[in-house]
Amino acid sequence: DGGITQSPKYLFRKEGQNVTLSCEQNLNHDAMYWYRQDPGQGLRLIYYSQIVNDFQKGDIAEGYSVSREKKESFPLTVTSAQKNPTAFYLCASSIRAGFGQPQHFGDGTRLSIL
Amino acid sequence: AQSVTQLDSQVPVFEEAPVELRCNYSSSVSVYLFWYVQYPNQGLQLLLKYLSGSTLVKGINGFEAEFNKSQTSFHLRKPSVHISDTAEYFCAVSGDRLNAGGTSYGKLTFGQGTILTVHP
Repeated sequence: DGGITQSPKYLFRKEGQNVTLSCEQNLNHDAMYWYRQDPGQGLRLIYYSQIVNDFQKGDIAEGYSVSREKKESFPLTVTSAQKNPTAFYLCASSIRAGFGQPQHFGDGTRLSIL
Repeated sequence: AQSVTQLDSQVPVFEEAPVELRCNYSSSVSVYLFWYVQYPNQGLQLLLKYLSGSTLVKGINGFEAEFNKSQTSFHLRKPSVHISDTAEYFCAVSGDRLNAGGTSYGKLTFGQGTILTVHP
């Protein structure tokens, strides 16, 4: 079955540490997205990528970095500069970026601070 | 700018009763509208979408939504809910947005979510 795989499901970060969240899709989608979910705030866009080797900042990119070296992979690094990283992180993809494209989601990674 | 307001943060309802989850949006451009459902510790699953055509949209699990352009609303309804419908529901709007390079990327803006709790 095609889908989006996020790993790990749970992740703990120590102070001053960078951590990387994995997102892999086998849907052959061009566009991929990272969202942060906090209780009562909906989803906020961190970064998105319309095509391989290209990515753009979303609404809350500070303290995060991404890469898109392969079509199927879009890892997110939460750097030590992100002072409040505790949240549920969701990766999504769509056939292509653009107006009206529905997005398909992975099952998320929950990041907590040790 | 586009925005989405879900008017109820929590909706409790008894099993087999009807339910309506309310969503209002604002946008300066034409929009497409979506409803997603999220079960605990899972990702979001698409329930239904309005792109064009009939304003009454039917989705999965017996849900439907009506697009009302004059009231800028997209309320979600189900005539008879089940215990298994207990989840958080998100309304989202996709407006045409351009990135720094001038290419449309169809930004999705989500509401804050409505937690539907179905009681036996």
